[in-house]
Amino acid sequence: GENVEQHPSTLSVQEGDSAVIKCTYSDSASNYFPWYKQELGKRPQLIIDIRSNVGEKKDQRIAVTLNKTAKHFSLHITETQPEDSAVYFCAAISNFGNEKLTFGTGTRLTIIP
Amino acid sequence: EPEVTQTPSHQVTQMGQEVILRCVPISNHLYFYWYRQILGQKVEFLVSFYNNEISEKSEIFDDQFSVERPDGSNFTLKIRSTKLEDSAMYFCASIYSSGGARRNEQFFGPGTRLTVL
Repeated sequence: GENVEQHPSTLSVQEGDSAVIKCTYSDSASNYFPWYKQELGKRPQLIIDIRSNVGEKKDQRIAVTLNKTAKHFSLHITETQPEDSAVYFCAAISNFGNEKLTFGTGTRLTIIP
Repeated sequence: EPEVTQTPSHQVTQMGQEVILRCVPISNHLYFYWYRQILGQKVEFLVSFYNNEISEKSEIFDDQFSVERPDGSNFTLKIRSTKLEDSAMYFCASIYSSGGARRNEQFFGPGTRLTVL
């Protein structure tokens, strides 16, 4: 089955700087890669996603890149703000099956004011 | 905007007791999921459900677990005899489907925090 690895586990960034979180996946059949933001005690919230026919996607300060050959994808947050502090999870899903999400281990992002 | 809802928000139970966690998926969704998140860990897949039957389950989903869609709106997860290690946040999720074409985006409910004493 799919295995998703995520790095780093913790990341501290000065407010206004950029943050990058990286994930790798194992199943070459996976073709949808969402990123979730989770605040303490809350549900995972989808912040951006990318499909395998696209190499990059951007939404305001957030961007995701995908390298299918290397089987890795990354989340980029620019101009970070204190409200970006949260745990971020990458995930992968395959269309061949029931589309269950396989999550990475999470990155605790702390924005230092 | 329609949302997935879950009840209760917090359930405290004694070890060995049965619990039922309830979810109401978004009304036009046809694919349903339960995930579990132990405190401080990643979200883990438990089971998926489509067309009134389980389509896939993880190794976590043993004989103590069952799912049901009793009335066309609720989607329930039952744990027959809870163990201490069942303490976790349980999330329900669903996927939109229209005309046989599925979108991948999963909508999560707010979760039920289960505490087993």
